Order: sequence, then structure tokens, then C-alpha cells
Amino acid sequence: EDQVTQSPEALRLQEGESSSLNCSYTVSGLRGLFWYRQDPGKGPEFLFTLYSAGEEKEKERLKATLTKKESFLHITAPKPEDSATYLCAVRNPYSGGGADGLTFGKGTHLIIQP
Amino acid sequence: DVKVTQSSRYLVKRTGEKVFLECVQDMDHENMFWYRQDPGLGLRLIYFSYDVKMKEKGDIPEGYSVSREKKERFSLILESASTNQTSMYLCASSSLQGTSDNEQFFGPGTRLTVL
Repeated sequence: EDQVTQSPEALRLQEGESSSLNCSYTVSGLRGLFWYRQDPGKGPEFLFTLYSAGEEKEKERLKATLTKKESFLHITAPKPEDSATYLCAVRNPYSGGGADGLTFGKGTHLIIQP
Repeated sequence: DVKVTQSSRYLVKRTGEKVFLECVQDMDHENMFWYRQDPGLGLRLIYFSYDVKMKEKGDIPEGYSVSREKKERFSLILESASTNQTSMYLCASSSLQGTSDNEQFFGPGTRLTVL
């Protein structure tokens, strides 16, 4: 069974203190690994999709990387507005119907203190 | 911008009631999804649809059904609500012909409480 495990569950950083969030996955034939950001009381907001080992994508202070077993979301010099829950997900195996859902990890709750 | 809207932000129902959660997207997406989100369990896929009148079970379909009569609208139905269906329900949509990111766009969620 496909699984997605995120660590740590929660992380508290000082403003400007860089760190990384981890997402380990077990899936046969990765068809996409997704990172989302979720603010309290809101739906997840898309950040990145990665498809193959070695791939990297960046957006402002965020950089996502992918290996054959895990993905990292690196946060460089974070600001308080980066505080959110970060979710990792993998695309489910092809179901034959033209759409596939996502299997999510439980998320990392990130707090950036001023 | 893609917009996914859900009919209610908060809903309170009683055990045994039939509950309808509505989701509408305005970007002509083929695919639509229903997830529930619970503390400690994360988001879990309930049902999805890739075309009008087509539906597929996700990981936790028990106690739920869905309806997709129009391309832009996807409804989640709780035939007889139970307290263990108290949760945040999130609708999402995606395009078959979209960007290479294949991202799903989420609505704001409906927080359902079953008493």
C-alpha cells in the first residue's frame, strides 16, 4: 500500500532560520509528488509538482527536491507569513478512468516566530 | 484564476439526516474530487469523478455517495449522517489537459458537525 510520511509533525523556527521538511514515500511507479500549503480554515494551495529523482523547483523562499525515496521542502530565511501546514502528496496509481486522486501525508505544522 | 466553491463553510446536522455537500468549479475541469480532513489522519480521498455521471471510489467511500449531473458540479451525499462523519470536507478539481503540474485546485472546505 502506498504511503506518505512527513516529518517533523511540527517545527518552530525563528525568522531567518532556514530548515527543511521531509516527505518519505513508498509507491510503485511515482506519477507525481505534490507539495501544498494550507492555512488555518482554508483549502490547500498548490506549490510544486516533482516527477523524477534529481528534479528541483523553487518559488520565493521555498525549494522542493526529489530523490527516489523522499522529497524535501527547503525553506530559506523564512518569514512569519510562511507559517502554515505544509502537505506532501503522491498521485495514486492509474485507475483507468482518466482521473486519479492523491494520497496525502499528515503534514508539517510550521511556525515562524518574529 | 481557478475557483472552486463549496456551498457552506459550516454545517450542523443531526444523526440520521441526509446531507448534501455541493461543490462548483468554474474552469471547465473534467476531474473533481471529494476529500475529508481529520486531525491526525490528514486528507483522505472519498470519491472522485472524471466525467459527467462517472464516479469512482476513493479510499474511504463507505457511508457516502456522489452525484455529477453537470460538468461543473459535484455533490457529496451522506445518506444517513453519523457522528463519525463530523469532519472538514474539501472539494478539488483538475484538468485532463492542464499544465504539466497536474495540480488539483481546492475549495475552502465545509466543516460539518453531526450531533
